[in-house]
Amino acid sequence: DTGVSQDPRHKITKRGQNVTFRCDPISEHNRLYWYRQTLGQGPEFLTYFQNEAQLEKSRLLSDRFSAERPKGSFSTLEIQRTEQGDSAMYLCASSPLRVQETQYFGPGTRLLVL
Amino acid sequence: AQKVTQAQTEISVVEKEDVTLDCVYETRDTTYYLFWYKQPPSGELVFLIRRNSFDEQNEISGRYSWNFQKSTSSFNFTITASQVVDSAVYFCALILHASGGSYIPTFGRGTSLIVHP
Repeated sequence: DTGVSQDPRHKITKRGQNVTFRCDPISEHNRLYWYRQTLGQGPEFLTYFQNEAQLEKSRLLSDRFSAERPKGSFSTLEIQRTEQGDSAMYLCASSPLRVQETQYFGPGTRLLVL
Repeated sequence: AQKVTQAQTEISVVEKEDVTLDCVYETRDTTYYLFWYKQPPSGELVFLIRRNSFDEQNEISGRYSWNFQKSTSSFNFTITASQVVDSAVYFCALILHASGGSYIPTFGRGTSLIVHP
């Protein structure tokens, strides 16, 4: 059983460009969460899905951010018109139906906006 | 609102020393979960332990042990005979059971542990 995977692991982009990150959860985990983590801070919740339904979004998730999980398996997080303040580590986590409070994290995508 | 405080920003020890990482939490709820995660330089948060608020028994797993005390709202983590591979940032987190089913954690700011050979 493989863990949560994320792609790409690193992304450098110029301000104003769009970027898309992908997360593949652990197989059969019905919940998928996205977080943002900046230096010296703990992860901050962005949004989560239960199967294909997006159930909650944080106020941190501005209109430039959109997340999808079309078939209830992998998820994508897109940032439009990136800003330097978007530079951070973007973490994905998944949890199983029977132990939903325990999340397993992926390696993250480190975004640098120049 | 709930809060998790990890007052130690950075701890530096020499290999084989014991080290305790502190975690203090605040919540008005009586049922909740507490967690510890390890984040090595590679970036992935590795799940270490989950503790239910009903269960105050301390737990030991190899060189790791956890001391949960509801009276002081603390959930401290001790590494015995530390090793260089223990160097990482450690996060304490809290999830309220009455979170509407979302189970969204509140994380502390983390404690960076550096173990010198």
